[in-house]
Amino acid sequence: SAVISQKPSRDICQRGTSLTIQCQVDSQVTMMFWYRQQPGQSLTLIATANQGSEATYESGFVIDKFPISRPNLTFSTLTVSNMSPEDSSIYLCSAKAGEYEQYFGPGTRLTVT
Amino acid sequence: DAKTTQPNSMESNEEEPVHLPCNHSTISGTDYIHWYRQLPSQGPEYVIHGLTSNVNNRMASLAIAEDRKSSTLILHRATLRDAAVYYCGADYGGSQGNLIFGKGTKLSVKP
Repeated sequence: SAVISQKPSRDICQRGTSLTIQCQVDSQVTMMFWYRQQPGQSLTLIATANQGSEATYESGFVIDKFPISRPNLTFSTLTVSNMSPEDSSIYLCSAKAGEYEQYFGPGTRLTVT
Repeated sequence: DAKTTQPNSMESNEEEPVHLPCNHSTISGTDYIHWYRQLPSQGPEYVIHGLTSNVNNRMASLAIAEDRKSSTLILHRATLRDAAVYYCGADYGGSQGNLIFGKGTKLSVKP
């Protein structure tokens, strides 16, 4: 298993600014992912964070808006750039520790005003 | 078209079995079916996964249709702590194991 922590747990940001969310895993993992969950909605995959190379983005998400870093096997960051109120959401980090199971962090609740 | 569909909500009585359905008609032969649940204000928690055969673990059972176009998560005896949103998902051929989830079923458990 893996225990995942995220910082910050929540933030309120001004339109046009950027926020970087950190994700820390308590063990080395092969794969890490970033999801977005809008209020009352399901989870939408933003990207796969690849260690040592550029992230792989899902349709509708671009690197300029959501740059991702993954410097090692236990840590990743997601930046939400040039924020607008439509970016208000919960952002979740997950890690694939076993062969199939993903472990999710508690999420970062972002409100953009 | 949604790849994975689930009922929006279901109700159960405590101590009774619950069957949560999921349709994934476009799944391929090598895509695993996954179930996660999410309690309020928490991240999703892994429940179970399977490919073709029915699966059991300490939390639940997963029954997969023979044509794999649908599956059912079975909670054998619902407790109040099982009240959550249950998400069905699959990787739909993604090479990296990323999951595409349905909209989730909100399960309410009545005492």
